[in-house]
Amino acid sequence: EPEVTQTPSHQVTQMGQEVILRCVPISNHLYFYWYRQILGQKVEFLVSFYNNEISEKSEIFDDQFSVERPDGSNFTLKIRSTKLEDSAMYFCATQGGETQYFGPGTRLLVL
Amino acid sequence: AQSVTQLGSHVSVSEGALVLLRCNYSSSVPPYLFWYVQYPNQGLQLLLKYTSAATLVKGINGFEAEFKKSETSFHLTKPSAHMSDAAEYFCAVSSLMDTGRRALTFGSGTRLQVQP
Repeated sequence: EPEVTQTPSHQVTQMGQEVILRCVPISNHLYFYWYRQILGQKVEFLVSFYNNEISEKSEIFDDQFSVERPDGSNFTLKIRSTKLEDSAMYFCATQGGETQYFGPGTRLLVL
Repeated sequence: AQSVTQLGSHVSVSEGALVLLRCNYSSSVPPYLFWYVQYPNQGLQLLLKYTSAATLVKGINGFEAEFKKSETSFHLTKPSAHMSDAAEYFCAVSSLMDTGRRALTFGSGTRLQVQP
């Protein structure tokens, strides 16, 4: 069964550094999403992406965040200058029909 | 606007007992509703979904949920709990957006413990 994959599984970074989280969507899915889950809290929507552009974003998704699909395969989330409060699990999801399929997540720790 | 409320952040049942996890939603348009399960240190796995067809939905691992519009509820049940059901369960709602696609809004989650 096709799966969404994410790399890395864990990343530790220093505050102020840039990080790039990568996702490989299920092939033939066209809608992509990033969500995050701060430890002990609910899963929160960050951004959705379709046809090489952002289709919707939450108030969390400020100018420090960006997404792109640089090579038609990977779907990336970049955090330009990480803050302590960016520490969270970041999930990529892709949509097939009405269902979103989630990857295993990247656990980001900002020190 | 849409929101999800999950009553009970922790639920503990005995093995073999009925599992009932509560979810109420708010949506200004007809919703699609989902239950996801998250095992420790893993991602989110879809258990079941309601997408405006049958109101009683059956999912994986013996779980089912019933959509009740009058109560704005989508409670998750399983007749007999197994130890392997211990996990965190998230209810989520999605609504049609201007773009035609649907972002998910999640509840706070319910951690299910199963006692031997």
